Amino acid sequence: GEDVEQSLFLSVREGDSSVINCTYTDSSSTYLYWYKQEPGAGLQLLTYIFSNMDMKQDQRLTVLLNKKDKHLSLRIADTQTGDSAIYFCAESRPTNAGKSTFGDGTTLTVKP
Amino acid sequence: DGGITQSPKYLFRKEGQNVTLSCEQNLNHDAMYWYRQDPGQGLRLIYYSQIVNDFQKGDIAEGYSVSREKKESFPLTVTSAQKNPTAFYLCASTRGDLTYNEQFFGPGTRLTVL
Repeated sequence: GEDVEQSLFLSVREGDSSVINCTYTDSSSTYLYWYKQEPGAGLQLLTYIFSNMDMKQDQRLTVLLNKKDKHLSLRIADTQTGDSAIYFCAESRPTNAGKSTFGDGTTLTVKP
Repeated sequence: DGGITQSPKYLFRKEGQNVTLSCEQNLNHDAMYWYRQDPGQGLRLIYYSQIVNDFQKGDIAEGYSVSREKKESFPLTVTSAQKNPTAFYLCASTRGDLTYNEQFFGPGTRLTVL
């Protein structure tokens, strides 16, 4: 079956890099996404990667995809206190009727 | 500005009452979704609709009902049959592509049962 897994918590110091990891089980996943949720708010798309790519960089964000190991990571460079939030990994594929499967989210805490 | 709105932001319900959560979008999206979020459990899909006048059950549909009479609107009713309805409810919409599925989320409704 389909599953997306993430570690639940990560704590870093301001200015350090943060790396949030995600594993997924379905090899037919077409797109993989990272969403950010601030307290009491909805999710917002941060970035996404197409399954035939290995890496995507967008300013402070770097996404790495290892298709062989079904492993996705999000690196945030120079982490700031405003980056404290819950980060969700998600995937979509044509066989899932247009739905996405979400991980349980990683709570990132940035300490000053 | 296009977006997705939910109302109310906070909702209190007495046990045994039905309540309806509103979700409206002006993004011209075909597909809409309702999720429930509990602490530490991520998002769980309640119902989704890929087109007007059609909807499907998600993973936790029991005790909930929906309608999709207009493209812009996808209200969720939490019925008295839902035994533990206190949660944060999120509505989302997408263009309806079968491959790229970026979801646009509303700000959420926090429902508390008294």
